[in-house]
Amino acid sequence: NAGVTQTPKFRVLKTGQSMTLLCAQDMNHEYMYWYRQDPGMGLRLIHYSVGEGTTAKGEVPDGYNVSRLKKQNFLLGLESAAPSQTSVYFCASKPQGAGDQPQHFGDGTRLSIL
Amino acid sequence: AQKVTQAQTEISVVEKEDVTLDCVYETRDTTYYLFWYKQPPSGELVFLIRRNSFDEQNEISGRYSWNFQKSTSSFNFTITASQVVDSAVYFCALSGTPTSGNTPLVFGKGTRLSVIA
Repeated sequence: NAGVTQTPKFRVLKTGQSMTLLCAQDMNHEYMYWYRQDPGMGLRLIHYSVGEGTTAKGEVPDGYNVSRLKKQNFLLGLESAAPSQTSVYFCASKPQGAGDQPQHFGDGTRLSIL
Repeated sequence: AQKVTQAQTEISVVEKEDVTLDCVYETRDTTYYLFWYKQPPSGELVFLIRRNSFDEQNEISGRYSWNFQKSTSSFNFTITASQVVDSAVYFCALSGTPTSGNTPLVFGKGTRLSVIA
């Protein structure tokens, strides 16, 4: 019963480096999301996907790119990391359909940009 | 635009006290869904409850209860006889029903609850 798995759990980067965060879900969910959590800010939506091959911008998309080549995976990329991207990143998924389905969250990735 | 306000940033209570976490929301949708999530010190997000806009019945689950009032756009969460294990950050969230069927959650900023033994 893996649910939503995020890789890696922790990472430290230098400014300007690039990296990709991986989110994998084994629940056959159509919808997947990437959020960032900053102190006192709650969770804010970065990008989301309503199905394989589709992505869309959320509230705070700048500096990030995403891809959904396979239904079970949703990748979040930082092309040139900046200190402002230091945050905890959460991936979530939910089944297709009405909005009453709760999102299932991964355990988060703590990312520090020096 | 949708918005969720959790005015209480931090609350501290002594064990066994009752505590209510406030949540006020704004939306233009006639059909919408409200959620509460718990984030314990370990960091994961735990789903607690969902409520749709057509169901204003209060709900009780053990020591937890939720009061949904459309007239005041509030969805408050009460913990009765609080315990140290209730210490966490609690998030209220809202989703609507756009025609696409996709409903990203809008989160409040969270309330940090500390229960002191």
